[in-house]
Amino acid sequence: DTAVSQTPKYLVTQMGNDKSIKCEQNLGHDTMYWYKQDSKKFLKIMFSYNNKELIINETVPNRFSPKSPDKAHLNLHINSLELGDSAVYFCASSQGLYGEQYFGPGTRLTVT
Amino acid sequence: AQKVTQAQTEISVVEKEDVTLDCVYETRDTTYYLFWYKQPPSGELVFLIRRNSFDEQNEISGRYSWNFQKSTSSFNFTITASQVVDSAVYFCALSELTQGGSEKLVFGKGTKLTVNP
Repeated sequence: DTAVSQTPKYLVTQMGNDKSIKCEQNLGHDTMYWYKQDSKKFLKIMFSYNNKELIINETVPNRFSPKSPDKAHLNLHINSLELGDSAVYFCASSQGLYGEQYFGPGTRLTVT
Repeated sequence: AQKVTQAQTEISVVEKEDVTLDCVYETRDTTYYLFWYKQPPSGELVFLIRRNSFDEQNEISGRYSWNFQKSTSSFNFTITASQVVDSAVYFCALSELTQGGSEKLVFGKGTKLTVNP
C-alpha cells in the first residue's frame, strides 16, 4: 500500500486556470505538509497542518489555499495559475514533532 | 534563521569509489534534528536518516554512514563502494521550530551524485 499518495502525478494547464492537487496518507500521521520544488531542485515548505489545523503558512500567495477535510487528507487548490507556479509539489506527512517526514511521489505542474 | 549548506553542487565518481557528501548547518536551537533524503531520477523523495542533536554517535547502515559533529555543525554522509543505483540528488535537512511550536524542515540545495560504471 502506498503510504503517501498524490493525484494527479502530472498536471498541464494554462495561465489563469484554477487547479487542485490531492494528497492522502495512510500512515495514521497527525501532521501533513505541502512543499514546492522549483526547477533548480530547491525544496521549500509551503504549508503544514496538524490534525486539520493550519500551523505553518510560509508567506505563500493567497492564490494557494490548502484544505484538510480530515487528518489523512490535505489538498492544495491554486487559483489564477501563473507561469511561476510551474514546479513539482510534494505532499508529506509525519507523526509528532521532529518525526521523519514521508513524502508522496510529487505532482509536476506545468503552466503554459 | 536556520540554514543548511551543501557546498557540493555535483559530484561524479566511478563505481566502487567511496564518496562523501558534505552538509553544514546553522541553528540557534539546542534541540534539533538533522535528516538526509535521497531523490533518484524517478523523482520521489526517500527518507534515509534522522539524527537528533544530542546523539553524536556515527551511524552505519550497509554501505551508508553518517558523521555528525556538533563542534563543526556538520552532518556528512558517506557512501562506501558506490554503485550506479546510488546516482541521485541527496538533500540534507534541518528541523526548525516555528513560533507556533510546530516544526518544519529546512533543506539544503542538494548534491547531485552521479556514479559512472
